[in-house]
Amino acid sequence: GEDVEQSLFLSVREGDSSVINCTYTDSSSTYLYWYKQEPGAGLQLLTYIFSNMDMKQDQRLTVLLNKKDKHLSLRIADTQTGDSAIYFCAESPNTGNQFYFGTGTSLTVIP
Amino acid sequence: DTEVTQTPKHLVMGMTNKKSLKCEQHMGHRAMYWYKQKAKKPPELMFVYSYEKLSINESVPSRFSPECPNSSLLNLHLHALQPEDSALYLCASSQDLTTGRAQYFGPGTRLTVL
Repeated sequence: GEDVEQSLFLSVREGDSSVINCTYTDSSSTYLYWYKQEPGAGLQLLTYIFSNMDMKQDQRLTVLLNKKDKHLSLRIADTQTGDSAIYFCAESPNTGNQFYFGTGTSLTVIP
Repeated sequence: DTEVTQTPKHLVMGMTNKKSLKCEQHMGHRAMYWYKQKAKKPPELMFVYSYEKLSINESVPSRFSPECPNSSLLNLHLHALQPEDSALYLCASSQDLTTGRAQYFGPGTRLTVL
C-alpha cells in the first residue's frame, strides 16, 4: 500500500471540469480519501469512498472507484480559481489506520 | 467542529536550540499523528499515538521526541536538529485507529533550522 501514484500537474480553465486520477496498489484498502492542500496550509479532507462503492457524489465533487484496476478519480465540476491547490489521494489498507498518500497533483485553474 | 490547532505557525531555530511544537484537538479523538512534509511532497508519517500511548514510531531520529500529555494534546519536542529537518510539520487526529477513520489535519508548523 505504499506506491500511490498521481499525475503531478493539471491545468484547466475556469468553469471546466477537472479530473484528478490516482492509482493505488493495496487491494485490501477499504477506504480511499481525497485531500486538498492550499499553499502554506494543512490538508483539508474533501471526501472519501468505501471500497464497496463505485461512485460517490458530493456537490461539485464526484469520486469514481474502479477496484479491479485500483484506480480512483476525483472530478470537480465547474472548477473555480479557489480550487487551485495540490490534491492528494490516500488509501487506508485493512490493517490499522495508517494512511498512504499519493504523490499529489497540483491543479492550476486559469481564469 | 473538525478543528485541529497547531502552534506556533512558524518557527526558526538554530541547531543547538530546544523547542516544542504543540497540537490540540477537542473532537474527542483518541488517535493523534505527527507528519513531516517537504515542499511539493506528500506527508510522511512520523509518530502515531493511540489512547495517549505511542503506537507507531516510523524510525524517526531521537532528536524528535513526541509526547501526549492527555487525549487532547500532542507535543513534538525538538533538540539538536539539522538543516534538512526544515519542513512543514503537520498534526492530525482521528476517532481512533480503527481502519477507515478519517484523519483531520491541523494547519501545520513551518519549521526552519539554521
